[in-house]
Amino acid sequence: GAVVSQHPSRVICKSGTSVKIECRSLDFQATTMFWYRQFPKQSLMLMATSNEGSKATYEQGVEKDKFLINHASLTLSTLTVTSAHPEDSSFYICSAGTGGNYNSPLHFGNGTRLTVT
Amino acid sequence: DAKTTQPTSMDCAEGRAANLPCNHSTISGNEYVYWYRQIHSQGPQYIIHGLKNNETNEMASLIITEDRKSSTLILPHATLRDTAVYYCIVRGVNTNAGKSTFGDGTTLTVKP
Repeated sequence: GAVVSQHPSRVICKSGTSVKIECRSLDFQATTMFWYRQFPKQSLMLMATSNEGSKATYEQGVEKDKFLINHASLTLSTLTVTSAHPEDSSFYICSAGTGGNYNSPLHFGNGTRLTVT
Repeated sequence: DAKTTQPTSMDCAEGRAANLPCNHSTISGNEYVYWYRQIHSQGPQYIIHGLKNNETNEMASLIITEDRKSSTLILPHATLRDTAVYYCIVRGVNTNAGKSTFGDGTTLTVKP
């Protein structure tokens, strides 16, 4: 089945630094990727939609200058948390799909646990 | 987005069938029903999806009512490893580029 690889699985960084998270579709071309954030005991909250070759679309309340998304190829999207603060500590998850084919499931990465100290 | 509602939690005895309901009364005709599950500290895992007809795969069965306003995920012989949070979501043209809103899901606990 389709595989989405997310890296790193865990990262600890100091306040004020930036962290990059990668999301790769390993065996299919992902025209659309989604980024989510999940706090403990809560559901996934969609942060942004990323389409290959175009600017990401951010959900209301998500700062686009803080959470930089790049989807430069059909197999790779990156999320950079800039100037991270302790409140950015969370579980970040990506998913990938093939655009408008809604009869094809989105596949999720295994998440990145970010801890900002 | 079409919203879904699910019970907060359910228990199931190991080896028995687990039936997880989902209400999606505002679903549009071209939106699919998807089920995912999430085991602690992992990404969601795809289980099954359907549009109108009932579906079955190696993991589960999906029963969709004729009016499509609700569905049931069936795990035929639950094991301890099926303990997870189960999410029912809808996805299609009307859900704005295919993004899906995750509700709170159902926490299924399979007990020995």
